[in-house]
Amino acid sequence: DSGVTQTPKHLITATGQRVTLRCSPRSGDLSVYWYQQSLDQGLQFLIQYYNGEERAKGNILERFSAQQFPDLHSELNLSSLELGDSALYFCASSLHPDQPQHFGDGTRLSIL
Amino acid sequence: KNEVEQSPQNLTAQEGEFITINCSYSVGISALHWLQQHPGGGIVSLFMLSSGKKKHGRLIATINIQEKHSSLHITASHPRDSAVYICAALASFGNEKLTFGTGTRLTIIP
Repeated sequence: DSGVTQTPKHLITATGQRVTLRCSPRSGDLSVYWYQQSLDQGLQFLIQYYNGEERAKGNILERFSAQQFPDLHSELNLSSLELGDSALYFCASSLHPDQPQHFGDGTRLSIL
Repeated sequence: KNEVEQSPQNLTAQEGEFITINCSYSVGISALHWLQQHPGGGIVSLFMLSSGKKKHGRLIATINIQEKHSSLHITASHPRDSAVYICAALASFGNEKLTFGTGTRLTIIP
């Protein structure tokens, strides 16, 4: 058990919809990272937060947004969903950015 | 061409064999991660290293910054080591964007 909790585990929805994925980091960890893993693209870094502030941004679409709240949990919002957004979305956390990351079990998003 | 390349893509070996997975990167990095992804999808961070060598149990990771190359070794391999191993390059501390390799699928046969 990594200590990182992601909810929900599975999400099935339709094109055009909006969903929110939630991540609770390991107790004490200040950094949260979001990743997307699709069959054709592999693992891709989306965005990183550190103590509530955005710290690094990767290949995150404009339809996607994220935030980290004062209690350090984070949410990834995906809107105007397309078939290609079907993927596993992982959250990871670390104490500080220069420390190893601990991964949650992921949220499997299926767009029908 | 990917900035981070792994080889081999697939590797099948007998239980007990010594395993080596290679990772080459074309960008300057501050650190390199090795991750293990189980068949169920869960990801475990194995190592994060900036120089030299790290060892944890039967796993050893090495990095040569000048040659832009890292290796992951597994000694006395076991079927439970069967997983996908992924290396990821961290560009710099201050901008912790990870660039991932495509992974090596390892299968250990009893």
